[in-house]
Amino acid sequence: DAKTTQPTSMDCAEGRAANLPCNHSTISGNEYVYWYRQIHSQGPQYIIHGLKNNETNEMASLIITEDRKSSTLILPHATLRDTAVYYCIVRVAGIQGAQKLVFGQGTRLTINP
Amino acid sequence: DTAVSQTPKYLVTQMGNDKSIKCEQNLGHDTMYWYKQDSKKFLKIMFSYNNKELIINETVPNRFSPKSPDKAHLNLHINSLELGDSAVYFCASSYGTSGRIDTQYFGPGTRLTVL
Repeated sequence: DAKTTQPTSMDCAEGRAANLPCNHSTISGNEYVYWYRQIHSQGPQYIIHGLKNNETNEMASLIITEDRKSSTLILPHATLRDTAVYYCIVRVAGIQGAQKLVFGQGTRLTINP
Repeated sequence: DTAVSQTPKYLVTQMGNDKSIKCEQNLGHDTMYWYKQDSKKFLKIMFSYNNKELIINETVPNRFSPKSPDKAHLNLHINSLELGDSAVYFCASSYGTSGRIDTQYFGPGTRLTVL
């Protein structure tokens, strides 16, 4: 699976959009970009995933560059409850049962009141 | 109606003891996982079972033995506990379906402290 690089930490004001970048310059054509987050003392939580196109769900938007070498997770109106460590993970999808997630250090996002 | 549950939430024990952590999922998933998060907060996969069959076995000491009595349960038994086993252990589950995106759902974690 391709390696990802994320900033160690970021701050964002409550109510503003939080934009979390991720570099994955060695991503291959069949690898997806996944985002998970881990709120303090809880298990990781799936946020969103994408292959080539931009994606949006009720939690966030995912913008993937045309060359697919980087992506940005956008939390449109950050709240204090969005304070967490955010993990960008790149991996091949769909191998029967072999879906291990390789977590890096992630980005510690702090939402300030 | 917890999706993935683990017991116990906290486990404090002495070195050399044997302990088990239980995991249950009510999502109808076929695949379950154990991850370990150490003091530096890195999450690493340990094992994965698909329909009660072991399919992922990372480099884990053989003191760790997963057991899957049915596809809704994956227990982790640890023999001869060592100080370095202190960590938070997370169970997860997913559909594990070939050819599809497979979201993993994590349990709340079990904090193991070995004294």
